[in-house]
Amino acid sequence: QVTLKESGPGMLQPSKTLSLTCSFSGFSLSTSGMVVSWIRQPSGKSLEWLAAIDWDGDKYYNPSLKSRLTVSKDTSNTQVFLKITSVDIADTATYYCARTNRGFGDYWGQGVMVTVSS
Amino acid sequence: DIRMTQSPASLSASLGETVNIECLASEDIYSDLAWYQQKPGKSPQLLIYNANSLQNGVPSRFSGSGSGTQYSLKINSLQSEDVATYFCQQYNNYPLTFGSGTKLEIK
Repeated sequence: QVTLKESGPGMLQPSKTLSLTCSFSGFSLSTSGMVVSWIRQPSGKSLEWLAAIDWDGDKYYNPSLKSRLTVSKDTSNTQVFLKITSVDIADTATYYCARTNRGFGDYWGQGVMVTVSS
Repeated sequence: DIRMTQSPASLSASLGETVNIECLASEDIYSDLAWYQQKPGKSPQLLIYNANSLQNGVPSRFSGSGSGTQYSLKINSLQSEDVATYFCQQYNNYPLTFGSGTKLEIK
């Protein structure tokens, strides 16, 4: 059974760095073909893909945010991390991680709401 | 980036009706197109991938079609549990991009 779960700070101040963790089970990111993506959704709006990391450690970023994003994985290949630097109010959103092996998300986490506010 | 233009933005239909949602890609995406259903407060759920392949466990009243730049999602015999927002997504190229969503309500 594949499950993913996001965790994060809930709220942080503008200009800080947002750190998110995606913990998953039911698959290993060391298996060939596995990919985990981060996607966010401001309240009432559409979805925005942010970044992905694959089984080989290759990383992919949305060019519109690339300078602020860092995606990584742990050595046990059961967690993926995302850091977003210099956050502002526009980064307020629900952040999801999803398994996107073939480019589409077949399994998604429940999402974690992040509010940027002073 | 590939731009996904989704229409309509909202849709109201009666139980038992058939509805169609359209998605237009800014370039050929070679059927690398997925559809998701998102209910309020929940994460998106995959309905269709490869433009017309039904994800396991999804009712057969959902179907997808299209090719090139034009794609559509059809829901036959609308049920009350189909009230949700629907999104299309292309995966032909990074960055992955989504449509703006269609909010489906029951009349």
